[in-house]
Amino acid sequence: EAGVTQFPSHSVIEKGQTVTLRCDPISGHDNLYWYRRVMGKEIKFLLHFVKESKQDESGMPNNRFLAERTGGTYSTLKVQPAELEDSGVYFCASSQDRIGRLYTEAFFGQGTRLTVV
Amino acid sequence: SQQGEEDPQALSIQEGENATMNCSYKTSINNLQWYRQNSGRGLVHLILIRSNEREKHSGRLRVTLDTSKKSSSLLITASRAADTASYFCATARYQKVTFGTGTKLQVIP
Repeated sequence: EAGVTQFPSHSVIEKGQTVTLRCDPISGHDNLYWYRRVMGKEIKFLLHFVKESKQDESGMPNNRFLAERTGGTYSTLKVQPAELEDSGVYFCASSQDRIGRLYTEAFFGQGTRLTVV
Repeated sequence: SQQGEEDPQALSIQEGENATMNCSYKTSINNLQWYRQNSGRGLVHLILIRSNEREKHSGRLRVTLDTSKKSSSLLITASRAADTASYFCATARYQKVTFGTGTKLQVIP
């Protein structure tokens, strides 16, 4: 079974440009999460989809970030315009059940390393 | 401060030795998970321990959970150079997983 896949694995863009990250969750997983790790710091929650609906987007840093999950399958995270502080590794995770329920395991992708120069 | 805080922040050991990492958290949890991140790579799930469990084993890994002290430990026995990575505990409460800052483990061959 394919795991969570993320594209691209690495992106280098200039400040002010736009970048779109993509996440393909495990087939059948309704829950999709985005996390971000800024260099040397903790991994922070960004948002949570249940199917195509945003369940919780409290972690989105500002309105330069837009996440979508059309049709409840893959998700995209667009950063427009990108700033230097957006550099970091962006992780996507999916789960069959809601993370936090007693037995739920989240499956993470390899992450997209974003470098804004 | 963070929900999950790992201790120590960095650990350097010789191959073959055991490595112990600790995680403390502040609120009640549903489960706690440990993840590993190799340099430049994604997060790999290591082990999940439920709030009603006290100890769990998986290969060379042993995880304990003490909900009264709100702490967990990850023990890696007979460490290998390939264990060099950052290790994160992640506490799960309702629908959210919160990560700590991680412990950077270096295993010297």
